Amino acid sequence: QVQLVQSGAEVKKPGASVTVSCKASANRFTTYNVHWVRQAPGQGLQWLGMIDPSGGTNYPGNFRGRVTMTRDTSTATVYMELGSLRSDDTAVYFCATEVPATCFFDYWGQGTLITVSS
Amino acid sequence: EIVLTQSPGTLSLSPGERATLSCRASQSVIRTNLVWYQQKPGQAPRVLIHGASSRATGIPDRFSGSGSGTDFTLTISRLEPEDFAVYFCQQFDGSRYTFGQGTKLEIK
Repeated sequence: QVQLVQSGAEVKKPGASVTVSCKASANRFTTYNVHWVRQAPGQGLQWLGMIDPSGGTNYPGNFRGRVTMTRDTSTATVYMELGSLRSDDTAVYFCATEVPATCFFDYWGQGTLITVSS
Repeated sequence: EIVLTQSPGTLSLSPGERATLSCRASQSVIRTNLVWYQQKPGQAPRVLIHGASSRATGIPDRFSGSGSGTDFTLTISRLEPEDFAVYFCQQFDGSRYTFGQGTKLEIK
């Protein structure tokens, strides 16, 4: 059973940046894509982008320039940094894995609440 | 961007009944890239159906998916108490992933 463990909740001020980590119980990241999805309170799901096993990234246009995903293979950890935070970035952020080219997310982290407030 | 619209927003049914959830796309979706998830309060989503109609590992056979083009359906043949949750559809168009807004399945 694969476990993805994310870093803890954070409170940030508008304009700041936040980095959320996602660590796999086994080094699943060497062969799987890692995606980030967020969910604002009481809302639906929004895709923030992905990083592939070679470190290549794909970000949707509405987050390009504001989000950066990186990976540390030695610690089986993926990081997602979101900058220029606004109040509407308040959400639970999930990491999830995908077997390449299957287009669905099979394992998910527990979620990390990021609150943006002045 | 492909917009997915789910209906109804809320579905009120009783255990044992059949549930039919709809996911309509703003343009044709690659059938192999249409996915359904279930989410319970305080939990991450769980994949139910991928490739429009293939059940994920460990998913009971009362869950089934169908459809093609712009219209997809998730059917739960006989509702169990643990099935009351929010359901999302998701697609990938080759460059980005989008989700529907969700259908809440509640106990009547």
